[in-house]
Amino acid sequence: QSALTQPASVSGSPGQSITISCTGTSSDIGVYNYVSWYQQHPGKAPKLMIYEVSNRPSGVSNRFSGSKSGNTASLTISGLQAEDEADYYCSSFTNSLTYVFGTGTEVTVL
Amino acid sequence: EVQLVESGGVLVQPGGSLRLSCAASEFTFSNYWMSWVRQAPGKGLEWVADINQDGSEKYYVDSVKGRFTISRDNAKNSLFLQMNSLRAEDTAVYYCARFFTRPVGAIDYWGRGTLVTVSS
Repeated sequence: QSALTQPASVSGSPGQSITISCTGTSSDIGVYNYVSWYQQHPGKAPKLMIYEVSNRPSGVSNRFSGSKSGNTASLTISGLQAEDEADYYCSSFTNSLTYVFGTGTEVTVL
Repeated sequence: EVQLVESGGVLVQPGGSLRLSCAASEFTFSNYWMSWVRQAPGKGLEWVADINQDGSEKYYVDSVKGRFTISRDNAKNSLFLQMNSLRAEDTAVYYCARFFTRPVGAIDYWGRGTLVTVSS
């Protein structure tokens, strides 16, 4: 099972919106709505930001939203803030009954 | 607050074995699926294995099948990962994680990780 494909880096200015894509296949994202997104700051454990494509856990800012179209899921961060600078990973359930993570995206706040 | 504390990570030679442990607290451990996720130095996340509440269902990434075994002791609120025939590519920080039920699979709590280094 190959890793899901994410852009290596995305950047934006404070207050702007950015979108991170996560491209899979018809064996994972394309057939399941079990996509999650994680935020990871350097040297820290990941934090769950979105689950089941678009659900936000309690305590996660509503500036974070998720969506999916076909084999591609997306995470949008609106009103970008300095604290949003981190690595972001998507993950998906697969038809092999396993889970696969994305390659990771480094978000830079300019 | 949910706590997950990993231990057991060390430097081990290729072909060697290691057992990782994870002590869970502040939640009813026996009610949750649990998993191990690893991250090689400077690399991305990789799901390794997960186990259901009573240990009767276990799933593994292909690269560790037959070499790693996930298990749990609900009486001791502990999760384990037995790692055999270790390879250089197994070098990573190993995170213990509380796992949404399958197939949702989202991880809502993570430990701080324990570093496993496989090298001669």
